[in-house]
Amino acid sequence: DIQMTQSPASLSASLGETVTIECRASEDIYSNLAWYQQKPGNSPQLLIYDANSLADGVPSRFSGSGSGTQYSLKINSLQSEDVASYFCQQYNNYWTFGGGTKLELK
Amino acid sequence: EVQLVESGGGLVQPGRSLKLSCVASGFTFSNYGMNWIRQAPGKGLEWVAYISSGSSYIYYAETVKGRFTISRDNAKNTLYLQMTSLRSEDTALYYCARHSSGDWFAYWGQGTLVTVSS
Repeated sequence: DIQMTQSPASLSASLGETVTIECRASEDIYSNLAWYQQKPGNSPQLLIYDANSLADGVPSRFSGSGSGTQYSLKINSLQSEDVASYFCQQYNNYWTFGGGTKLELK
Repeated sequence: EVQLVESGGGLVQPGRSLKLSCVASGFTFSNYGMNWIRQAPGKGLEWVAYISSGSSYIYYAETVKGRFTISRDNAKNTLYLQMTSLRSEDTALYYCARHSSGDWFAYWGQGTLVTVSS
């Protein structure tokens, strides 16, 4: 099974700041990686697929990058509505999620 | 608009069974693979099961293999999850989710809560 290690587990940042969340796969997943945002009490929402493709309706301040086993999600100019938990997920071999990152405002 | 509406959750004793349903609308249900994904209270996400559009391919997470059965009725636009021999660790919010053109989860329902407790 492919393991997904996400860091940090929690993050506190200020409005307008740039935030980066990392995700490492236990083997090469060939950019078959998605990122999801989950606000409290809501279902997860797709942000990024294929490591760097923005899902429909997602603000351009979100971006994804990476290859092989290392991937990252960047949020530019943090907004209050970005307070949420973020999960990475590989779909190269079945489906596995990272442990999540809880993003709060400083 | 794509809609996925889960139901069937509730409080159940360990060792008992429960069947979840997910009714789909807003798209041609028979064209898409579907999944169940769960989230224990305050925890992360765990993929549970997948079924292809025509039910030819079915996969399960090791944690539920042999106890859970995924199925679908394309005529009724409905996805099912039959859960047997339930354990306390199966307590979670269960989501159904649809793929898009690729194997990521493009659409999610609102979830149905399963609580396994005596």
